[in-house]
Amino acid sequence: AQSVTQLGSHVSVSEGALVLLRCNYSSSVPPYLFWYVQYPNQGLQLLLKYTSAATLVKGINGFEAEFKKSETSFHLTKPSAHMRDAAEYFCAVSDPGSARQLTFGSGTQLTVLP
Amino acid sequence: EPEVTQTPSHQVTQMGQEVILRCVPISNHLYFYWYRQILGQKVEFLVSFYNNEISEKSEIFDDQFSVERPDGSNFTLKIRSTKLEDSAMYFCASHHGTGTGRDTEAFFGQGTRLTVV
Repeated sequence: AQSVTQLGSHVSVSEGALVLLRCNYSSSVPPYLFWYVQYPNQGLQLLLKYTSAATLVKGINGFEAEFKKSETSFHLTKPSAHMRDAAEYFCAVSDPGSARQLTFGSGTQLTVLP
Repeated sequence: EPEVTQTPSHQVTQMGQEVILRCVPISNHLYFYWYRQILGQKVEFLVSFYNNEISEKSEIFDDQFSVERPDGSNFTLKIRSTKLEDSAMYFCASHHGTGTGRDTEAFFGQGTRLTVV
């Protein structure tokens, strides 16, 4: 069975500061990993994904994440936070090479302070 | 860009009533899903659907839930007798299913917020 742990249900950063949202996974096979963002009252939008190619993945809006197999981690980073980045972020895992369902983490609410 | 569309965006229903949530997946996708998100909680998998049948379902997806692809374009979730605890945001998603490149991601709709009173 797969699982995802997101450390920190709430993270606050100042505008312009580094954003680091943590995600650790558990999987019996090398997984596919995803970060989704949910803005208030909206659906889930894919930020980026890891699908066994490059371990450093760049996504939309300046976000990136690095797959570290030894640490079973897929932390999301952005060098400089912007007010518009305030949202909930979900890490998710699925089996590779198939259209299996996603298992989501509990989410991290990012607040950006002026 | 193709997108998954869901209707209605909001649905209020009385406890015990039947509701049908509708989704139009991306046209060339083969796998369809329903997820739900109870307010303040994580997104949970309900069911996946492929080749006109359920491929996987979670413990949440009990006998009061059913899914259907009635006409080759719509994908519906029916809740036969709603309970207060069914109040949640319900997301539909679709996936092409080939497992490579862009096709490795699921595309989500904007969700239907169901409120059971």
